[in-house]
Parts: sequence; C-alpha cells; structure tokens
Amino acid sequence: EPEVTQTPSHQVTQMGQEVILRCVPISNHLYFYWYRQILGQKVEFLVSFYNNEISEKSEIFDDQFSVERPDGSNFTLKIRSTKLEDSAMYFCASSGDNNEKLFFGSGTQLSVL
Amino acid sequence: GESVGLHLPTLSVQEGDNSIINCAYSNSASDYFIWYKQESGKGPQFIIDIRSNMDKRQGQRVTVLLNKTVKHLSLQIAATQPGDSAVYFCAENTGFQKLVFGTGTRLLVSP
Repeated sequence: EPEVTQTPSHQVTQMGQEVILRCVPISNHLYFYWYRQILGQKVEFLVSFYNNEISEKSEIFDDQFSVERPDGSNFTLKIRSTKLEDSAMYFCASSGDNNEKLFFGSGTQLSVL
Repeated sequence: GESVGLHLPTLSVQEGDNSIINCAYSNSASDYFIWYKQESGKGPQFIIDIRSNMDKRQGQRVTVLLNKTVKHLSLQIAATQPGDSAVYFCAENTGFQKLVFGTGTRLLVSP
C-alpha cells in the first residue's frame, strides 16, 4: 500500500538553528499538508499546499516557516530559526484528486534544545 | 506520534466487546468528518469518514453516527480486538482539508 514517508524520524537541534523536515507524499497525490502535535495536545493544522503554492495556513505558520516542493516527489517544511516551543511531532500528509482522504506519514519528532 | 495520555479520556473494554467513542464538534457549518486512529509512534490513520448529508456510515467493523442537531459524532467498533488499542481522534474539515482534530480518546482493549 502506498504511504507517505518522512525523514528524519527524530531531529534534535539548538534554538535558533534552521531545520528542514522532509516528506515524500504518495506519488499521484496533488494536495500536501503539514500538521504538528505538541506532546499531550491535539494535532494542529499548519499549512496546505496545492499547485505549487500555499492554499491555506494557520496562525502558527508564521514567517519562520516555509514549505517547498523542490521536485516532483519531495515536500519540505523549513523552520528558519527554531524556538523551544517548536518542539513537536510534525506530520506530513497528502491527498489525491478528490481532496478528501488524508494519508499521514509517521512524523518527525523535533526537539529544540 | 502518540498523544500522552495524561489528560486523554480513556475507554477500557474487553476483547470482543463493542466500543463506542464519542466526539462533539463546534462548527455547525462543517460538512465532512473523519475518524482517525493513532498507534504509538505512527501518524493518524484514516478509519472512516462521513458527510453531513448522512446520519450513518458503515465500514468493516466500524460505524460512524452523525447527529447534526447536537453536533455529535460517534465511532462504534464491533468485536473490539487488542489491535484496536490506540488513540482515536475525530476531525472536522473546516475547509480545504484544514482539519480540526478533537483531543482524542485512548482505547484500551484487554484480552
């Protein structure tokens, strides 16, 4: 069964450093998303991406965040200058042309020290 | 990917029992709802969805009921198995797949 893959599974970084979280969505999907889950809290929407541009973003997704689809297979989330409160599990998701059922990856656990 | 269960409501059932997990949503304009299962160390996994023009939808061993009057959603799992142990989230689609997740319910199935 096709799946969304994310790398790395764990990322530890120092506050103020830049991190890039990587995702390979399901190959024929057209819609891409990032969500995050702070320990003990709900899964929260960050951003959706379609046709090489951001469709919608949440209040969390400020100027420190950016997304990119650098080629036909990867979808990345960059955090320019990490803060302690960015520590969370970050999930990538994708959906097909019906834009309904989201498939999530296993996540990248980001720890900012 | 696991929600720490410090404040998660927990439902404990015996193997073979039926489980009912409840969820309240807030936006009366939401027209699409999804149940996700999250096992330890994994991302949310799609279980079943329902549109607002339906009251009930059935899948394999799972049924989702939607009561729009009271903005309530439930997931019923028939003949619960140990492999069903996980955290279950309901989510409402508030637009363009911007999902708003509930807090989650931890289901514990005892053999």
